[in-house]
Parts: sequence; structure tokens; C-alpha cells
Amino acid sequence: NAGVMQNPRHLVRRRGQEARLRCSPMKGHSHVYWYRQLPEEGLKFMVYLQKENIIDESGMPKERFSAEFPKEGPSILRIQQVVRGDSAAYFCASSPRPSTDTQYFGPGTRLTVL
Amino acid sequence: TQLLEQSPQFLSIQEGENLTVYCNSSSVFSSLQWYRQEPGEGPVLLVTVVTGGEVKKLKRLTFQFGDARKDSSLHITAAQPGDTGLYLCAGAIDNYGQNFVFGPGTRLSVLP
Repeated sequence: NAGVMQNPRHLVRRRGQEARLRCSPMKGHSHVYWYRQLPEEGLKFMVYLQKENIIDESGMPKERFSAEFPKEGPSILRIQQVVRGDSAAYFCASSPRPSTDTQYFGPGTRLTVL
Repeated sequence: TQLLEQSPQFLSIQEGENLTVYCNSSSVFSSLQWYRQEPGEGPVLLVTVVTGGEVKKLKRLTFQFGDARKDSSLHITAAQPGDTGLYLCAGAIDNYGQNFVFGPGTRLSVLP
């Protein structure tokens, strides 16, 4: 049973470009969570999605950031017009249900904005 | 302001020593999780505690959830270099567990 997959593992963008981060949850998992981690800090919740629905986006910046989890295919975290402050590791986690005890994390995408 | 605080922030010990790290909050959590994260990787879930006062053991690791469900501790006995990593606690802030709040972590280094 493959774990949570994220790609790319590393992404370099120049200021003003767009960044697209992909997350494929574990098989059978329909709940996806995105987190951001800055160096030497814990993870900050961004958004929680189920298939085709955004359930909670309270942690996501209002501008430039968007997320989707279509019926088919991976979940996408999209950052438009990136700035240097967007540089961070972005982690995706999935669970089979909105459970308090089974969030499985992917290896992360490390975004560097030049 | 951190909803969850962890202490110490950094800890460097010799192989074979015992240690305890703490996770504290003024908020009540419906559950609390401990993760270990290694450089360049995602966090790996170690344990979930749900009931106030609960104690769980995982080999040399002992996890305790405070009676009031506001704090937790992780005790490691006879630490090994393989225990090195960032230990994160995360609390579920509503009963559906949709939104976890993470602490800043304790970075543990076990020297051989």
C-alpha cells in the first residue's frame, strides 16, 4: 500500500511565477490536509479538503493561494505570483475519514523562491 | 502566540540517557498526537492519546496525556542515536479532528 505521494520534492521558482504542488493521498483516503513548515518551526495548518470540496481553509492566506481536490487525480496546492516569503516545506497528509488519529504525511515539497 | 508550546526546544544527550519532553497548552484538546520528523522527510505518527490521564508505551517511549487534556509528555528510556529527530506534538482543536494545531517541536540529538 503506497503511502502519501507528493511531487515535486523540490521546486524552485522566481518571484512572480506560479507554483503547483501535487499530493496523491493513500489509497482509500478521501480526506486531504495541507500544512506549511518554515525552518525550525512546527507545521501550520492551511486547508482541509474532501473530494471536490473545501471543508476548512482557515489557515490559508486569502490571496494567491488556492487548493483543490478533484474527483479524479491528485490534490493541488497552487500559489500564484510567489514571493520569497512563500519559501517553505509544504506537507500533505491524508486520512480515511475525519479522524483524530490517522493522518499520514507525505515527504513534502520544498519550495524555494529566488 | 503558540497554542501549543513544547519544551525544551533543543536537547542533546548521550546514548543511554533518559529524557522527557513536554507539550503544553492552555486549551483543551479532544486528542493529542506525537510525531517524529527526520530531516527532509514528513512527520511520522508515533501515538495518539485521547483520554485524560492516559499512558501509552511504545517500546522505550512512554506517552502521557494530562488529566485535563491540556498537556502531554514523552519519555524516552535509554536513548539511542536512532531516536534523533524533531518531535512534534499536535492537538485536535475540535471534536471532528479536522484541524490539528502543531507545536514548534523539540529537536533531539542523541550522541553515540
